[in-house]
Amino acid sequence: EVQLVESGGGLVQPGGSLRVSCAASGFAFSNYWMHWVRQAPGKGLVWVSRIKSDGSTIDYADFVKGRFTISRDNAKNILYLEMTSLRVEDTALYYCARLGASTRGLIDWGQGALVSVSS
Amino acid sequence: DIQMTQSPASLSASVGDSVTITCRASQNINAYLNWYQQRPGKAPKLLIYDASSLQGGVPSRFSGSGSGTDFTLIINSLQPEDFATYYCQETFSTLFTFGPGTKVDIK
Repeated sequence: EVQLVESGGGLVQPGGSLRVSCAASGFAFSNYWMHWVRQAPGKGLVWVSRIKSDGSTIDYADFVKGRFTISRDNAKNILYLEMTSLRVEDTALYYCARLGASTRGLIDWGQGALVSVSS
Repeated sequence: DIQMTQSPASLSASVGDSVTITCRASQNINAYLNWYQQRPGKAPKLLIYDASSLQGGVPSRFSGSGSGTDFTLIINSLQPEDFATYYCQETFSTLFTFGPGTKVDIK
């Protein structure tokens, strides 16, 4: 059974940093693109970042470029999102998701990690 | 950047109804379009990929169509578990932009 389990969310002050993790199991993690998607309370889905299976290709949404860093440890089957210079508007549930091998859809999602940015 | 719009923003329907949700891209995205369902408090679920391909395990009452800039999600014979928010997502660009969502609630 595929499982994606996020952790590391919490309350942080504006300007602070936080790292969220996504532990993957039930599939060959090193073979798949992985994505981060966020959802502010009561709002819609917003794509944040993606990383290729081997880490060689990375893309970010403009609003996190230069502040967030996506990475992965294929030996440990963990996806990371390092967030710095956090803003109030970064408050959201952060989902990790797996891109299908034969589709361009996000076929598996975690339950999300809540990041709250407030003073 | 590609912008995605959806209409309507919300709709009310009854069990057994058929509903149509539209998604429009700001430029040609060929058929690189996904549809997701998100129930309250739950993670999104992929329904349709490449505009019209049904993801495994998804009931056949869901169908998708379109190409270029205009796309449609149809839900036939609405079931109680279908009351949710639906999002389109383009995968033509590197930014995988989502639409704003369409909330389907019970009339």
